[in-house]
Amino acid sequence: AQKITQTQPGMFVQEKEAVTLDCTYDTSDPSYGLFWYKQPSSGEMIFLIYQGSYDQQNATEGRYSLNFQKARKSANLVISASQLGDSAMYFCAIRRGSTLGRLYFGRGTQLTVWP
Amino acid sequence: DTAVSQTPKYLVTQMGNDKSIKCEQNLGHDTMYWYKQDSKKFLKIMFSYNNKELIINETVPNRFSPKSPDKAHLNLHINSLELGDSAVYFCASSQETQTNQETQYFGPGTRLLVL
Repeated sequence: AQKITQTQPGMFVQEKEAVTLDCTYDTSDPSYGLFWYKQPSSGEMIFLIYQGSYDQQNATEGRYSLNFQKARKSANLVISASQLGDSAMYFCAIRRGSTLGRLYFGRGTQLTVWP
Repeated sequence: DTAVSQTPKYLVTQMGNDKSIKCEQNLGHDTMYWYKQDSKKFLKIMFSYNNKELIINETVPNRFSPKSPDKAHLNLHINSLELGDSAVYFCASSQETQTNQETQYFGPGTRLLVL
């Protein structure tokens, strides 16, 4: 069963605008962690932000914030003030309490920032 | 002072050959992972070691054999390479597996092409 769903294969945003990348997840574990990674064209996987299932507040890291809606099982990534260097593939991933550290990844969203 | 390093970065080889990919982390983490990213960019876990002990072994052909000489190193040996093994292989590490908070940090990836 699909554990992470990213419904947007591609997104476009103009420089300096904000963009939201969608992520929904499926788990019955009460304890889980949600992660976002960025993969630029150079290929490396860069950790961006983490949200725990028990965290009361939405996670923020600089221009990245996570819109965590637990009841809806969504963990959307918001990038504010987009920059050209934000153009990359973005992956949402879940780590569930019962799964010994496995990260389950979504299929990714390709973000393109245009001037 | 690279955190997670992999060698080689690129590997081009013929079908039937045996090859190894090496991974080292200097983060002091006790858990290391191998992930495979296919041509459609989908990432899936293959193996995980905690303190040199195998804890995750996904449904991977037994031509793939991980080896962890110490907790800072996790190597991947592949026997009798097949065309379908062409992919990007990522090594990752994290501090522990018993909670969901530990972020996994990825190496730069090894791009394997089997001809």
